Amino acid sequence: KAGVTQTPRYLIKTRGQQVTLSCSPISGHRSVSWYQQTPGQGLQFLFEYFSETQRNKGNFPGRFSGRQFSNSRSEMNVSTLELGDSALYLCASSLEAGVNLNTEAFFGQGTRLTVV
Amino acid sequence: AQSVAQPEDQVNVAEGNPLTVKCTYSVSGNPYLFWYVQYPNRGLQFLLKYITGDNLVKGSYGFEAEFNKSQTSFHLKKPSALVSDSALYFCAVRDRAAGNKLTFGGGTRVLVKP
Repeated sequence: KAGVTQTPRYLIKTRGQQVTLSCSPISGHRSVSWYQQTPGQGLQFLFEYFSETQRNKGNFPGRFSGRQFSNSRSEMNVSTLELGDSALYLCASSLEAGVNLNTEAFFGQGTRLTVV
Repeated sequence: AQSVAQPEDQVNVAEGNPLTVKCTYSVSGNPYLFWYVQYPNRGLQFLLKYITGDNLVKGSYGFEAEFNKSQTSFHLKKPSALVSDSALYFCAVRDRAAGNKLTFGGGTRVLVKP
């Protein structure tokens, strides 16, 4: 069974640009969550999508957005990039959302975004 | 609001010795607790989880964790550490009030010396 696939693995962008990251969950998983990992702030929850609907959102500015498609693939977008957006962005997929909280999340390898 | 604390930024242990990584949590309801490990330039790998039942949970790669409700702790343990266990370990909690969101601790770097 293929794992969670994130593309691209590495990305370098300039301040003010926008970026789109992609995540393909494990087949059959309908819940996709995004996390930002930085040395200073650790792992922080961005948002969660289930059946194409955002179910939960973390404390990030509106420049961070996402969406989920009918095949459960998800994208997140960051507009007007700032230096502080440099981070490892991790996507996680789960079998269910909200109902079976005992199911573990499986993470992709992440996208390393560097803003210069 | 749920929260997780990992009081040690780094744990050093000699190969073959027992390894313990500490975690305490705070949630409003029943906790769903998880341990993940991260190797350099990789995502997080699931190690084990506590949902209900036995307080001692066994997971991957010889790891286990002990749930202690009165101390709100979920410490990760391994009886005999390997050099290959050197990595970054994260404790996480999920509770029903927060939906599917995982709240992570700050992480503990484990260094196992030969």
